[in-house]
Amino acid sequence: AQRVTQPEKLLSVFKGAPVELKCNYSYSGSPELFWYVQYSRQRLQLLLRHISRESIKGFTADLNKGETSFHLKKPFAQEEDSAMYYCALPSGSARQLTFGSGTQLTVLP
Amino acid sequence: GAGVSQSPRYKVAKRGQDVALRCDPISGHVSLFWYQQALGQGPEFLTYFQNEAQLDKSGLPSDRFFAERPEGSVSTLKIQRTQQEDSAVYLCASSLGWGREKLFFGSGTQLSVL
Repeated sequence: AQRVTQPEKLLSVFKGAPVELKCNYSYSGSPELFWYVQYSRQRLQLLLRHISRESIKGFTADLNKGETSFHLKKPFAQEEDSAMYYCALPSGSARQLTFGSGTQLTVLP
Repeated sequence: GAGVSQSPRYKVAKRGQDVALRCDPISGHVSLFWYQQALGQGPEFLTYFQNEAQLDKSGLPSDRFFAERPEGSVSTLKIQRTQQEDSAVYLCASSLGWGREKLFFGSGTQLSVL
């Protein structure tokens, strides 16, 4: 069965430091992975999807099939990056997404 | 419109009561999803509609949960005989196409069953 693991519930970094939010997955086949973000008092929204290979708000994520990982990275964290981040992949009928349990990122001044 | 709209924002129910949660997706969006999010967890899939057709209801936890989207726009999630374990945030999401691209989420309905 498809599964997404985000091993860190909480992550704190200082402003300007690099940040990496970990995501590991189990999936049979070639996965399409997503990162969703929820800022304080805002809705859950798409941050990026690996198939588009975009860099959004300075974040990137590379799919590593060997390690079955899709870690989210940013070289210089900003205070406005503080949010809850969820990794997700298709499952079941392939129309639905399975989400990880999320990582709360806090960027300290 | 302003995005996916959900009502009510908060709902308190006594155990055993029936509740109905409403979702108004973005106009023209074909796909509509319901997710349940327990405290400290990620969203978990409940059910999926393509227009008015409910194509996947594999995530509904019991036959007390029922969802409909009769005209292919507004959707209602109904929970009968609520139990304490039903307490969660219920999220609705819609997408323009058939589902795997960008999901637009509503603000959710926080259900508390006492």
